[in-house]
Amino acid sequence: DAGVTQSPTHLIKTRGQHVTLRCSPISGHKSVSWYQQVLGQGPQFIFQYYEKEERGRGNFPDRFSARQFPNYSSELNVNALLLGDSALYLCASSSWNTEAFFGQGTRLTVV
Amino acid sequence: AQSVTQLDSQVPVFEEAPVELRCNYSSSVSVYLFWYVQYPNQGLQLLLKYLSGSTLVKGINGFEAEFNKSQTSFHLRKPSVHISDTAEYFCAVSSQANNNDMRFGAGTRLTVKP
Repeated sequence: DAGVTQSPTHLIKTRGQHVTLRCSPISGHKSVSWYQQVLGQGPQFIFQYYEKEERGRGNFPDRFSARQFPNYSSELNVNALLLGDSALYLCASSSWNTEAFFGQGTRLTVV
Repeated sequence: AQSVTQLDSQVPVFEEAPVELRCNYSSSVSVYLFWYVQYPNQGLQLLLKYLSGSTLVKGINGFEAEFNKSQTSFHLRKPSVHISDTAEYFCAVSSQANNNDMRFGAGTRLTVKP
């Protein structure tokens, strides 16, 4: 079975641009969460989605948004990129009776 | 609110020596605790988890952790480390058993030297 897949793996954007990151959960998993991991730090919780509804939000500005589709895949959108948004963005999926499994992440560099 | 403090940012240790990575947590609700490992340029891999029951939890790769409610700690231990254990280790707390809203610590860099 395929694990959690994220695309793209690497991305370079310019300040002020917007970016869309994508995540496909493990088959059968209905919950998807997003985390931001700045170099040298632990992951920070951004969003949780379950059954296409937002179930949790971390302390991130409104420039960050996400959605979950009927097939349970998810997108993370970041507008008006700042240099400080450069990070590894991790997606995790879970079902009601399993712990979260992480994808390999998308490395975003803002220049 | 939930939070995690990893007390050591770096832990150097010689191969085959024992190691303990320390983690304290704070939470106003029931907690579920986790340890993850991250190798360079990779995602996070679950080592072990505490959901309920026995306070001594055994995980993969010979790691174990003990949940101590009175001291609000969840320290990770391994009796004999290998070079391949060199990685970043993260402690995390969640309000959900399926841990999809975790709060992570800052991480502990374990370096195993020959």
